[in-house]
Amino acid sequence: GAGVSQTPSNKVTEKGKYVELRCDPISGHTALYWYRQSLGQGPEFLIYFQGTGAADDSGLPNDRFFAVRPEGSVSTLKIQRTERGDSAVYLCASSPQGYGLINEQFFGPGTRLTVL
Amino acid sequence: DQQVKQNSPSLSVQEGRISILNCDYTNSMFDYFLWYKKYPAEGPTFLISISSIKDKNEDGRFTVFLNKSAKHLSLHIVPSQPGDSAVYFCAAIDNAGGTSYGKLTFGQGTILTVHP
Repeated sequence: GAGVSQTPSNKVTEKGKYVELRCDPISGHTALYWYRQSLGQGPEFLIYFQGTGAADDSGLPNDRFFAVRPEGSVSTLKIQRTERGDSAVYLCASSPQGYGLINEQFFGPGTRLTVL
Repeated sequence: DQQVKQNSPSLSVQEGRISILNCDYTNSMFDYFLWYKKYPAEGPTFLISISSIKDKNEDGRFTVFLNKSAKHLSLHIVPSQPGDSAVYFCAAIDNAGGTSYGKLTFGQGTILTVHP
């Protein structure tokens, strides 16, 4: 389809393990966002990419979290030494352009991460 | 610090009646507001938005009202339909004079159930 896709849809891991979550944005969208939604809460901003560069990573909770977008398309969110508190739905969104315009953000279905 | 608040976790409405979902915010720098709708296992989808220079925006059955002095906005759905049953998120952007990249700050969400 032409929407934002995220893989895997579900990920169960053990405390202390490393995980990677993938986001395929809509083709041609230069802006890409990661959000995290904990149970009973709204999505919380993690990081924003404009092209290949992380223009704002102020929402990343700590240095165990890292994200890349090496070719300005697919993005990977990486979590090291996972903790039970990292359990949440991780949402990716893309939009045609970032700075200067309010563009609709198109969200993927999310990856549900469970840390046992 | 919850900058966008949706104080009603759930709302139940009869089909054909009006649904009113409320949202309050504390950050006076927010100047653009959006409502998103979310079905289970899907990402949020954009519904309607309003700029702070307006007090009302209408799109079909959906109307958003903004009261800047009270830092309050509401979403009205008339008439409500069973297919409207979903989680509704209020979100805000600090557009920073047109330089923002669209970072969304979400409320906690309200579960709307429309009964046939």
